[in-house]
Amino acid sequence: SAVISQKPSRDICQRGTSLTIQCQVDSQVTMMFWYRQQPGQSLTLIATANQGSEATYESGFVIDKFPISRPNLTFSTLTVSNMSPEDSSIYLCSDYSGGEQFFGPGTRLTVL
Amino acid sequence: DAKTTQPPSMDCAEGRAANLPCNHSTISGNEYVYWYRQIHSQGPQYIIHGLKNNETNEMASLIITEDRKSSTLILPHATLRDTAVYYCIVSLTGTASKLTFGTGTRLQVTL
Repeated sequence: SAVISQKPSRDICQRGTSLTIQCQVDSQVTMMFWYRQQPGQSLTLIATANQGSEATYESGFVIDKFPISRPNLTFSTLTVSNMSPEDSSIYLCSDYSGGEQFFGPGTRLTVL
Repeated sequence: DAKTTQPPSMDCAEGRAANLPCNHSTISGNEYVYWYRQIHSQGPQYIIHGLKNNETNEMASLIITEDRKSSTLILPHATLRDTAVYYCIVSLTGTASKLTFGTGTRLQVTL
C-alpha cells in the first residue's frame, strides 16, 4: 500500500491569504485526488489531479479558488486561495493504486 | 455514482461481531461496493471492496446480496480501536474511481 504524507499537518491563516498544501506519495501512482472535510461533515471530492495536464474539478469547485499542480507521479499540491473562514476544513489527498484509494493524514486548516 | 444509505450510528460490545448494513438499490452492474472507515482526526482507511461475491480479508468480511442492492460489513471481533465512522461507497474502479462519501455509520465499540 502507498504511504502518503502531507505538509503542513495544520495551519492557522488570516483571511485573504493563500496556503499551499503538499502531498507526497512514496511510489508512482496514476491518479491522485484532493478532498475537503468541513467540520462535522463527510468528505467531498474537490478535484482529480492529473499528471501533465490540468486538474479535473467537481461541481462547486473552481481552479481560481483551488489551483492544483501535479508535476510528476508522486507529488501534488493544492492551494487554497483568498481564504475566508468558510474554508476552515481538513484537506486530504489520496491516491488510487491497485483498486484501492489510500488517504493522507490530512491538513487541518483554520482561517481567522 | 449510486447513492448509499446507512444507519447513522450503531453500538457493539467489544469481542462481539459488528454487522454494518448498507443499502445501494441503484447500483449499476459495473460498480463496486467499497468500505472505508475514519477514525477520529485521521484520514479514511480502506477496509474492503467487492463486486458481487463475498470477500474476506484480515480486517473484515463483505457480504453482498445476490441482487447487489445491499451489503453488510462484518468485523468479526470488534475492539475499542474499531470505534470509527464507517463509509459504504459505490464506485467504479480504474480511471473512474472517484469516491462519493455519504454520512456513514458511527460505530461505537464499548466494554
